[in-house]
Amino acid sequence: DGGITQSPKYLFRKEGQNVTLSCEQNLNHDAMYWYRQDPGQGLRLIYYSQIVNDFQKGDIAEGYSVSREKKESFPLTVTSAQKNPTAFYLCASIGGLTYNEQFFGPGTRLTVL
Amino acid sequence: AQSVTQPDIHITVSEGASLELRCNYSYGATPYLFWYVQSPGQGLQLLLKYFSGDTLVQGIKGFEAEFKRSQSSFNLRKPSVHWSDAAEYFCAVGAEVLTGGGNKLTFGTGTQLKVEL
Repeated sequence: DGGITQSPKYLFRKEGQNVTLSCEQNLNHDAMYWYRQDPGQGLRLIYYSQIVNDFQKGDIAEGYSVSREKKESFPLTVTSAQKNPTAFYLCASIGGLTYNEQFFGPGTRLTVL
Repeated sequence: AQSVTQPDIHITVSEGASLELRCNYSYGATPYLFWYVQSPGQGLQLLLKYFSGDTLVQGIKGFEAEFKRSQSSFNLRKPSVHWSDAAEYFCAVGAEVLTGGGNKLTFGTGTQLKVEL
């Protein structure tokens, strides 16, 4: 079955450490997105990528970095510069006949200890 | 800039009762509109979407939504709620174009639905 996978499901990090969240899709979608979700705030766009080797900042990119070396993969690194990284992170993709309909992965819950 | 308002943070309904979740959007032209549902600790699942045409849209799990341009609304409805519908519901608008192409989705803050048995 086609879909989006995110790993790990739960991640714990000490303050001052960088951590990378994985997002993989086998939908052959061109565009991929990273969102951050906090209680009562909906989803906020961190980074997005429309094509391999290209990505753009979203609304809250500070303290985060991404890469897009392969079409199916869009990892997100939460750096030590992110002041409040504890949140639920969601990856999404879009493309083909379902253009404009974003498909979401199951999410990664990051907790900073 | 586009924006979405979901005025109800929490809603409680009895199983078998009807449901309406409110969504108001702000955008100059006709936007793309979506409703997503999220179970605790899970990703978002698309319930339905409106791009153009018939203003009454049917979705999965017996949900429907009606686009009303005059009211800038896209309310979600279900005639008879099941206990398994308890979840958080997000309305989203996708109209602004992102750098590099594609549309940006802006989400509301969500409505938490509780179903009483």
